[in-house]
Amino acid sequence: EMVMTQSPATLSVSPGERATLSCRASENLARNLAWYQQKPGQAPRLLIYDASTRATGVPARFSGSGSGTEFTLTISSLQSEDIAVYYCQQYNNWPPRGITFGPGTKVAIK
Amino acid sequence: QVQLQESGPGLVRPSQTLSLTCTVSGGAISVNDYYWNWIRQHPGKGPEWVASIHYTGTTHYNPSLESRLTISVDTSKNRFSLRLTSVTAADAAVYYCARLDFDKYVYDSWGLGTRVTVSS
Repeated sequence: EMVMTQSPATLSVSPGERATLSCRASENLARNLAWYQQKPGQAPRLLIYDASTRATGVPARFSGSGSGTEFTLTISSLQSEDIAVYYCQQYNNWPPRGITFGPGTKVAIK
Repeated sequence: QVQLQESGPGLVRPSQTLSLTCTVSGGAISVNDYYWNWIRQHPGKGPEWVASIHYTGTTHYNPSLESRLTISVDTSKNRFSLRLTSVTAADAAVYYCARLDFDKYVYDSWGLGTRVTVSS
């Protein structure tokens, strides 16, 4: 069974500083990984797909990197509106196996 | 821009059947490039894929829930639906409908979500 882990669980960053979020997969995903942002009371929003491609309308301060089993989401200069939970999602083996999300990293203002 | 809207009862009794519908507007459901999905999220947890359907009727289910699930599509009404039988407290969650881009394998449009409580 594919297992996704994210670290840290909570990340406190000062405004304007860099935030680095990690996602690890238990199997080789190649570059079949996406990142989502979820603010309280809202649905997740797609940020990054294919490990490093920004979705339409996503600010350039968001970037993704990695391949295989290790991936990173970087927010180059944290803004107040970036406070959210960030989830990675793998899609390496769908169908028929499921698309799975990680447990999330909560980004807070320091 | 496509919009998705969930509808259904917010409260379901244990052992009963949960029925949800997602109405799609601003775009046709009968487009080859997309799968239509139900995703749920328990408090403080990551989203969990539940089921997917293509407008042609091809379906995929989360193996852990498959025996209790039915997903269907009504192209004439531009909507799709989910039935989950024999619900328990573990099925209480926010249920989202979402569109999966079959080229990028990502959920690019989501509904607002509907909270389902399981209680007698």
